Amino acid sequence: QVQLVESGGGVVQPGRSLRLSCAVSGLPFGSHLMYWVRQAPGKGLEWVARISYDGSNDRYTDSVKGRFTISRDNSKNLLYLQMNSLRAEDTAIYYCARDLYNSGVDYLDYWGQGNLVTVSS
Amino acid sequence: DIQMTQSPSSLSASVGDRVTITCRASQSISRSLNWYQQRQGRAPNLLIYAASSLQSGVPSRFSGSGSGTEFTLTITSLQPEDFATYYCQQGYSHPLTFGQGTRLEIK
Repeated sequence: QVQLVESGGGVVQPGRSLRLSCAVSGLPFGSHLMYWVRQAPGKGLEWVARISYDGSNDRYTDSVKGRFTISRDNSKNLLYLQMNSLRAEDTAIYYCARDLYNSGVDYLDYWGQGNLVTVSS
Repeated sequence: DIQMTQSPSSLSASVGDRVTITCRASQSISRSLNWYQQRQGRAPNLLIYAASSLQSGVPSRFSGSGSGTEFTLTITSLQPEDFATYYCQQGYSHPLTFGQGTRLEIK
C-alpha cells in the first residue's frame, strides 16, 4: 500500500521555524525526485521546492528562497522541509509528492494527505 | 519558469453535460502536459499525463488533447463526483508549474 504521510505542521508565530516531514512507504523513494507543493486557503497549487533523487540538487520558488530548505534521507524514506523566518503568507496546506518520469514527461503520481501550516501571532 | 494559464477560471454545468477546459503554456512544451483533479478537502489526483494518457483507474469519460502551447481536458457525461477543481501542470521542465485551476460547479 502506497503511503506518503506528512507531519510537523501546526500554528507558529511569524519569524519562527517549523520542520515538515514526509514518510514514504510502499513505493520506490531513493530513485525519484520529490516535491513540496502548497495551497494557501482558497487558492491554487504552488510548487515550493524540489530535490533530486540523491539530494545533491535542490530548487525553490522565489518567495521561499533563503528561508526554506528541502532535504531527504533515502535510508529512512523520509523527505523534509525546514521552514525558517515564517511569514503570514506561508500559511497553507503543504503536500509532499513523488515525481515520476514516464513517456517523456514528469508528473506527480503520488501525494501525501497534506499538512496545514498556520503562521499567526 | 514556464507559466500555465487555464480558462475558464470557473464554470457551471449539469450532470450529464460535456465540458472542456483549456490550458495554455507560455512556451512550447511538446505534449508534456498533465491534468489533476482536486476534490474539496483532498489532495490532488492525477487524471491524465503526457497530454492524453489516462492514469490507471481514471474513468474513460476523461480525455485530454493538444500539443505545443494549447491543451484541453474534456469530460463527457458529467457525474456528481466530477464537480471539483481541475489543474493543468507542465511536465516539460523543472520546476513543474501549475495553472491557476478551473472550478467546476453544479448548475
